[in-house]
Amino acid sequence: EPEVTQTPSHQVTQMGQEVILRCVPISNHLYFYWYRQILGQKVEFLVSFYNNEISEKSEIFDDQFSVERPDGSNFTLKIRSTKLEDSAMYFCASSQTGESEKLFFGSGTQLSVL
Amino acid sequence: AQRVTQPEKLLSVFKGAPVELKCNYSYSGSPELFWYVQYSRQRLQLLLRHISRESIKGFTADLNKGETSFHLKKPFAQEEDSAMYYCALSYSSASKIIFGSGTRLSIRP
Repeated sequence: EPEVTQTPSHQVTQMGQEVILRCVPISNHLYFYWYRQILGQKVEFLVSFYNNEISEKSEIFDDQFSVERPDGSNFTLKIRSTKLEDSAMYFCASSQTGESEKLFFGSGTQLSVL
Repeated sequence: AQRVTQPEKLLSVFKGAPVELKCNYSYSGSPELFWYVQYSRQRLQLLLRHISRESIKGFTADLNKGETSFHLKKPFAQEEDSAMYYCALSYSSASKIIFGSGTRLSIRP
């Protein structure tokens, strides 16, 4: 069964550094998402992306965040200048049709900001 | 504002006992409700959704609009049911999903 792949599984960075989290969605999917989960808290929506542009974003997704689909297969989340509170598990998800029940999640990248 | 509430962080039951994971939501329109499950060291995956009215791995969930609830139930728990369970709500065609805080289900042998 096709899977959403995320790399790395764990990223450690210093506060103020830039990080790029990478995701390879399922190949025929058209809708892409990032969610995050701070330890002990709920999974939160960050951003959705379709047709090479952001279709929706949450309040969390401020100017420090950006997303890109650089080459037709990868979908990246960049955090420009990391803060301690950015430490979380970041999940990528993709969907072929944009329908909620057909979201496929990656296994996540655990970001630790020191 | 849309919100999903799972009042129990942890639920521990014996194998063979009935299970009920509680979920309440707030949304003024007609949402879609889901249950997602995350087994140890695995990814989030869809367990079931209210529209399909199906039973997956013995679990069922009924949407009660009067009580704004979508509780997950299973009559006889099995050890392999131990996992993190998230209730979730979608209210737009853009498939943005709002998750509850999750309930860890632990099945004791």
